[in-house]
Amino acid sequence: AQSVTQLGSHVSVSEGALVLLRCNYSSSVPPYLFWYVQYPNQGLQLLLKYTSAATLVKGINGFEAEFKKSETSFHLTKPSAHMSDAAEYFCAVSSTGTASKLTFGTGTRLQVTL
Amino acid sequence: SAVISQKPSRDICQRGTSLTIQCQVDSQVTMMFWYRQQPGQSLTLIATANQGSEATYESGFVIDKFPISRPNLTFSTLTVSNMSPEDSSIYLCSARGTGGGRYEQYFGPGTRLTVT
Repeated sequence: AQSVTQLGSHVSVSEGALVLLRCNYSSSVPPYLFWYVQYPNQGLQLLLKYTSAATLVKGINGFEAEFKKSETSFHLTKPSAHMSDAAEYFCAVSSTGTASKLTFGTGTRLQVTL
Repeated sequence: SAVISQKPSRDICQRGTSLTIQCQVDSQVTMMFWYRQQPGQSLTLIATANQGSEATYESGFVIDKFPISRPNLTFSTLTVSNMSPEDSSIYLCSARGTGGGRYEQYFGPGTRLTVT
């Protein structure tokens, strides 16, 4: 079984500040991990993925995430928030297998203030 | 990456009626999925759409309520049958790529359904 826990349903940061969105996973096999972003009234867009290569993964829009097996974490960061980053962010996990299914966290709504 | 389109983008339906949502992918994909996102919630997998065979449903979802078709590698439909207000949700189609993109899963823009 696999699961994802996102700590903090709402996060608010000032424009230019560091963004940190937390994700912890549980998986009985080596996981694949993903971050998705959902802008208002839109579908999900893949930000980045970890598939057992480099533990520090860089994605689109300046986001990156680090896979830490010892902490079972895959936190999403961005050095400097921009107003356009305001959105819902979902962490997801799947097992190592092309037939495996994605399990999503409950999401974190990021608010960026002036 | 795969580009996924859905029709309709939104609809308002009366209870007791049915709505069929279409999903088109711009390239052949190995797997297609249907998700439901209730207001303010995360995504819940309804079923995996299998090409040429019956869909595989998750616990809590049944074929009579959510019949799914996948006649080829790029197209699928989801029908929401005998709708009630509790079916008001966003329904998202998703697809997994092939080759180097086989671990990436892409999503359509969603169909926003309101049942009155």
